[in-house]
Amino acid sequence: AQSVTQPDIHITVSEGASLELRCNYSYGATPYLFWYVQSPGQGLQLLLKYFSGDTLVQGIKGFEAEFKRSQSSFNLRKPSVHWSDAAEYFCAVGARTGTASKLTFGTGTRLQVTL
Amino acid sequence: DTAVSQTPKYLVTQMGNDKSIKCEQNLGHDTMYWYKQDSKKFLKIMFSYNNKELIINETVPNRFSPKSPDKAHLNLHINSLELGDSAVYFCASSQGLGRTTYEQYFGPGTRLTVT
Repeated sequence: AQSVTQPDIHITVSEGASLELRCNYSYGATPYLFWYVQSPGQGLQLLLKYFSGDTLVQGIKGFEAEFKRSQSSFNLRKPSVHWSDAAEYFCAVGARTGTASKLTFGTGTRLQVTL
Repeated sequence: DTAVSQTPKYLVTQMGNDKSIKCEQNLGHDTMYWYKQDSKKFLKIMFSYNNKELIINETVPNRFSPKSPDKAHLNLHINSLELGDSAVYFCASSQGLGRTTYEQYFGPGTRLTVT
């Protein structure tokens, strides 16, 4: 069965600083990987996705993530954080079940941005 | 124009009651999901329907019964509510075709509090 680990429960960065959120996955085949963001009191928004091909994927809001098969990782990065990026970030791995997909989420990383 | 909407946003009820949460999507998707997010923000899939057919049914108490009257709607009915049912319930949808199946769009969530 697939699983996702996000080692950092809470990260604090200064506005303008760079950010890296860690994600490790366990999956028997080629993984489909995702990062979602959840702002307080809101639903989840898809930031970016990896299916195959280029291991560096670009997403919305200036985020990018790099897939490293050898390390079973899919870390999220942003070169310069804005105060509005403060939110909960979830990494997920997807598995196909018929005509649906089952996303298995990590436990999330809360990002706090200081001014 | 809201893509995935849920009603109600908040639901406070007593143990033993029966309640329903409604979800509607106007994205033209044919696959819909229910997720439960517990107090520690852990997200877990509960059910998935594709065009009114149950596809995913995780280990969920049979007090929870999803119903899909058409592919744009997926409701969740909960009987005999328990304290442990308190959580945020998210509805999501995707297009059940190829890789787009994995791109799930989430609703804003329904916070259920059982007292």
